[in-house]
Amino acid sequence: GDSVTQMEGPVTLSEEAFLTINCTYTATGYPSLFWYVQYPGEGLQLLLKATKADDKGSNKGFEATYRKETTSFHLEKGSVQVSDSAVYFCALSWMDSSYKLIFGSGTRLLVRP
Amino acid sequence: GAGVSQSPSNKVTEKGKDVELRCDPISGHTALYWYRQSLGQGLEFLIYFQGNSAPDKSGLPSDRFSAERTGGSVSTLTIQRTQQEDSAVYLCASSFLNYGYTFGSGTRLTVV
Repeated sequence: GDSVTQMEGPVTLSEEAFLTINCTYTATGYPSLFWYVQYPGEGLQLLLKATKADDKGSNKGFEATYRKETTSFHLEKGSVQVSDSAVYFCALSWMDSSYKLIFGSGTRLLVRP
Repeated sequence: GAGVSQSPSNKVTEKGKDVELRCDPISGHTALYWYRQSLGQGLEFLIYFQGNSAPDKSGLPSDRFSAERTGGSVSTLTIQRTQQEDSAVYLCASSFLNYGYTFGSGTRLTVV
């Protein structure tokens, strides 16, 4: 079945460091891909998405490119801030009638001042 | 309200008791989803409601779990005869067509 695999955390970085969180998926065809973020004590929020191959989603300095050749959707940010500390979830969805999301296990990011 | 509201925010229950978790979606959102987030796990799909269609129950882990959505709005997730492995954060989300989900803050369920 369809699945999403993320790198295990926690990922600990110093402020202004470069961030990469790896995400790969297994699916038949080309689903839509998402990154969600969960800040401490808050609900999940959509960070960015890409709906077709080679699309780049971006938001708040974060970027991810839909790579069908490597079935990947890695999250990157050039310079992280303490406020980026959160749990990041990669997910896929088929844009059919249900739009049901399949999530990865999440990656906790800790950014130190 | 402006967001998806879940209640209670925390629930501690004894093993074997039944619990009900409530979700108030955003007004006008036709789709409603329940997910479960266990410690160290990702989010596991439980059930999906869309308008008046039959719900997609394919993610419910056992027949102890059930959910209903009344009047196309409020939803209740019921867990009967709770077990310790049911301890998790239960998240509700709503959406309008494919314009993205809005998640609630969740109900943290602890079975002791």
